[in-house]
Amino acid sequence: DQQVKQNSPSLSVQEGRISILNCDYTNSMFDYFLWYKKYPAEGPTFLISISSIKDKNEDGRFTVFLNKSAKHLSLHIVPSQPGDSAVYFCAAPSYNTDKLIFGTGTRLQVFP
Amino acid sequence: EPEVTQTPSHQVTQMGQEVILRCVPISNHLYFYWYRQILGQKVEFLVSFYNNEISEKSEIFDDQFSVERPDGSNFTLKIRSTKLEDSAMYFCASSGVAGGFNEQFFGPGTRLTVL
Repeated sequence: DQQVKQNSPSLSVQEGRISILNCDYTNSMFDYFLWYKKYPAEGPTFLISISSIKDKNEDGRFTVFLNKSAKHLSLHIVPSQPGDSAVYFCAAPSYNTDKLIFGTGTRLQVFP
Repeated sequence: EPEVTQTPSHQVTQMGQEVILRCVPISNHLYFYWYRQILGQKVEFLVSFYNNEISEKSEIFDDQFSVERPDGSNFTLKIRSTKLEDSAMYFCASSGVAGGFNEQFFGPGTRLTVL
């Protein structure tokens, strides 16, 4: 049951360039999405979210775009920094419940 | 900054043994969760807990699993008779209000290894 999918297991980007992480979902009932960042030996840390009433949400270097018709969202990091190297998870709350449904994650490596 | 803490960081146990994973949620939070991540797989929801009872559980959370809030600060996950397939990272999370719409704060995780 892959309601939230991240098809790229890894991404390598040069410092200063843009990182684009993608996420697709299948459940049209999802109306809120979150991105979490995870460093090794740590738990996921909330990064940014977006409601389905918006198509864009920006917080500093991080912007999330939502395309509801395509059931697709993306996280843009610009400029990328070496400290951004981590695993990024897309997640969505299951309709009318507490639980978060996570994607499989994308490992981002930002090199100098 | 307040944070969720978990102990131990790594637990090794023999198959069939009972384990208790411990969590201290953020002090003013009311909603508590357990998730797990098997190596190489995605983070999966196990259970949510509010007002001293389970509010939702997944199909993974069978009779071998139980949760408890024994005092005002700890939140525990017990696995009664561990199986090899229980080996995973277990994450505790808490939030101040209900719903995944609000940020769930995660602990650093406990790595459970069942031999």
